[in-house]
Amino acid sequence: SQQGEEDPQALSIQEGENATMNCSYKTSINNLQWYRQNSGRGLVHLILIRSNEREKHSGRLRVTLDTSKKSSSLLITASRAADTASYFCATDGRGTGANSKLTFGKGITLSVRP
Amino acid sequence: DAMVIQNPRYQVTQFGKPVTLSCSQTLNHNVMYWYQQKSSQAPKLLFHYYDKDFNNEADTPDNFQSRRPNTSFCFLDIRSPGLGDAAMYLCATRLGLVVYETQYFGPGTRLLVL
Repeated sequence: SQQGEEDPQALSIQEGENATMNCSYKTSINNLQWYRQNSGRGLVHLILIRSNEREKHSGRLRVTLDTSKKSSSLLITASRAADTASYFCATDGRGTGANSKLTFGKGITLSVRP
Repeated sequence: DAMVIQNPRYQVTQFGKPVTLSCSQTLNHNVMYWYQQKSSQAPKLLFHYYDKDFNNEADTPDNFQSRRPNTSFCFLDIRSPGLGDAAMYLCATRLGLVVYETQYFGPGTRLLVL
């Protein structure tokens, strides 16, 4: 069964605005990761947050994790047209070592208008 | 630069004609994954290798096979492609020793079945 569920499914904003994307999941996790995928391309890893962390920053990205609510959010500040892409959350379950696996959500399509 | 390479980027095959997709990596990672991603859907894990150990997902059709002749290369074989197998196929690698390691994705191979 699918682990991550992103919300909203599609988001359209003006360049310079902030974009907030949410992800909910169902079972216990080791960590949660966010990936970006440009149209027709592979996935690019953005940020990883461990289950014992609540917030993490990387450049214009801010990720929060609430394990009690089984949810995460990705905030992109001061968005740019180049941020237009699909964004996926992926949960890394309770497997160990090489047997841990990512389960992806369906993704959020972000459009940033110039 | 170290990277994950997938060849070809686009593959056209005929219904029922066997096809092989290729993935190579210069990261010297122990784990290699194959995902299937259909349009507007989440990437779905088909199987993965930890070193030479093959791990098949329970719902991966028998039509899909994989080979890993050495650390650097991994192949996805589709024995008798059906129209429903048209998708983007993503290869990813992970060092594999620590659960918090991220996955590195190749650009993907888009398969079209005629």
